[in-house]
Amino acid sequence: SAVISQKPSRDICQRGTSLTIQCQVDSQVTMMFWYRQQPGQSLTLIATANQGSEATYESGFVIDKFPISRPNLTFSTLTVSNMSPEDSSIYLCSVQKGRTGGLDTQYFGPGTRLTVL
Amino acid sequence: GENVEQHPSTLSVQEGDSAVIKCTYSDSASNYFPWYKQELGKRPQLIIDIRSNVGEKKDQRIAVTLNKTAKHFSLHITETQPEDSAVYFCAASKNGGTSYGKLTFGQGTILTVHP
Repeated sequence: SAVISQKPSRDICQRGTSLTIQCQVDSQVTMMFWYRQQPGQSLTLIATANQGSEATYESGFVIDKFPISRPNLTFSTLTVSNMSPEDSSIYLCSVQKGRTGGLDTQYFGPGTRLTVL
Repeated sequence: GENVEQHPSTLSVQEGDSAVIKCTYSDSASNYFPWYKQELGKRPQLIIDIRSNVGEKKDQRIAVTLNKTAKHFSLHITETQPEDSAVYFCAASKNGGTSYGKLTFGQGTILTVHP
């Protein structure tokens, strides 16, 4: 497994502002992802954070709203930009050591609970 | 894209009974199927997973079965205990080509085990 931390664990923000969430892993991993979990709902993939290049976004998510960085194999950030109350969710990063063959198990960080007023 | 349907949405059992949660998926190329348990306010925790070259996998009281032809997989929990109460999510992904690790989750099942 992997030890994953996220900062902040929670925040309350005003609409129109931006928040950057950090995800740190204790060992190098091949894949890092960002998910959103709206209250009482399932998890939805926002994007794959690619090391050294632009993130790959899923349908319905765009870079201007959710810019992502991944400068190395242990760290990534997700920014929620120009926030509205609809952005109130739990944001989770997840990591995967490899791509296939038993290394594809995905582990989740503790999440960041965001409330937008 | 992939679509995963999960049933039931809620499941209530007596302690010691068995619980079964079922999921169907749409993309026949999906080849990895994990199950996560999420307790209130906590992160999803992997409890068991199965790959498409295996039909069944068991880990103590938990088992998962996969039917590739019918495109469905199920989680079986035997001898349930109150600490099994949580939300359970199934997921599917397709590891290969240009797609790795993109988990598509089911809607979740709230399992309640009554003492």
